[in-house]
Amino acid sequence: AQKVTQAQTEISVVEKEDVTLDCVYETRDTTYYLFWYKQPPSGELVFLIRRNSFDEQNEISGRYSWNFQKSTSSFNFTITASQVVDSAVYFCALSQGSRGGSEKLVFGKGTKLTVNP
Amino acid sequence: DGGITQSPKYLFRKEGQNVTLSCEQNLNHDAMYWYRQDPGQGLRLIYYSQIVNDFQKGDIAEGYSVSREKKESFPLTVTSAQKNPTAFYLCASTLTRGSTEAFFGQGTRLTVV
Repeated sequence: AQKVTQAQTEISVVEKEDVTLDCVYETRDTTYYLFWYKQPPSGELVFLIRRNSFDEQNEISGRYSWNFQKSTSSFNFTITASQVVDSAVYFCALSQGSRGGSEKLVFGKGTKLTVNP
Repeated sequence: DGGITQSPKYLFRKEGQNVTLSCEQNLNHDAMYWYRQDPGQGLRLIYYSQIVNDFQKGDIAEGYSVSREKKESFPLTVTSAQKNPTAFYLCASTLTRGSTEAFFGQGTRLTVV
């Protein structure tokens, strides 16, 4: 069975601190895809990144970076110099589909990040 | 602007009544999805549709029904058979099956009173 675990239920930081959101996954597939989504208070989910199981390169996008390690089945997300606008619930997800689409995504329970001024 | 529109934003239902949640997209996406979100929980897939007039059950389809008569519309009916319908419902779409990015609506919060 596929499973995504986000052990951190809530995190609170002060603005400008760095923060890492953990994601551990379980799958028997050799080909799979991992995602991160952001859910601001307005409710909709915003796509942040997709990573396939064959690409373990870390990725950086502005203040966001992702660390994918197959050896530990982890796909962690770091926000550098956090800002109040980063406050949201962040979801890690695993694709059940062999073509890596967003269908049949298995979501973690989410981590609520609060960035205080 | 292109996007996904869910309506209404808040919905109240009496026990024993069916209720239909609307989801419309003008992105020309082929695939559409319905997820349910409960407090402190991740999203769980209810139904999805990859083409018009076709849809598949997700992980928690019991007590729900859908239709896909038009490409841009994917309404979800929460029936009286759904034992615990109070939740936040999110609709999403992707360009095709296998697309990288899913676009989500702003959700409908359903409360049974």
